[in-house]
Amino acid sequence: QKEVEQNSGPLSVPEGAIASLNCTYSDRVSQSFFWYRQYSGKSPELIMSIYSNGDKEDGRFTAQLNKASQYVSLLIRDSQPSDSATYLCAVNIASGNTPLVFGKGTRLSVIA
Amino acid sequence: DTGVSQDPRHKITKRGQNVTFRCDPISEHNRLYWYRQTLGQGPEFLTYFQNEAQLEKSRLLSDRFSAERPKGSFSTLEIQRTEQGDSAMYLCASSANKNSPLHFGNGTRLTVT
Repeated sequence: QKEVEQNSGPLSVPEGAIASLNCTYSDRVSQSFFWYRQYSGKSPELIMSIYSNGDKEDGRFTAQLNKASQYVSLLIRDSQPSDSATYLCAVNIASGNTPLVFGKGTRLSVIA
Repeated sequence: DTGVSQDPRHKITKRGQNVTFRCDPISEHNRLYWYRQTLGQGPEFLTYFQNEAQLEKSRLLSDRFSAERPKGSFSTLEIQRTEQGDSAMYLCASSANKNSPLHFGNGTRLTVT
């Protein structure tokens, strides 16, 4: 079983809609969770960190964490064409030696 | 705080040549990481340092790869006898501590011909 899994997409949403991106992870004792945005040809850019169960909101972005279900999600409200990018989920796998494990990313396309 | 800086941005080399990349982390960060990313994949961990100590290397890392971080400041990643399969984006990142997010540089794109 892969440590961090994401649907590769593409996920297409109309402008102004809510985009929902999902991620599951394998290690029950993981403590820290991150969402990165990556535009084509660029490096990953941190957009959200979440450390405890529940929701965390920052502007149009909401991260949701459910440790019991080993699930973390990212909601983007009022999606804009500029949100079109690949979104990477990253998890600090506490039981392993790798500091931060990334999923393959979900490609989001916001259609104007 | 000027962010994480990587040099060069692009490198084209012939198979069999050696290449070296440099990374300057955010100054107050004591952890420095190297990742590699190929098209359609997430970043893959290579190695990381806490100050000058190299604490972990990926089992996938060939012995042609070596990294250093003298004096706990900048780091270099060297690839010896490059192969076409080494073509990728090499990403450097730094963080303040174990559970802090990683901040990435712009990456070095390596093309081996």
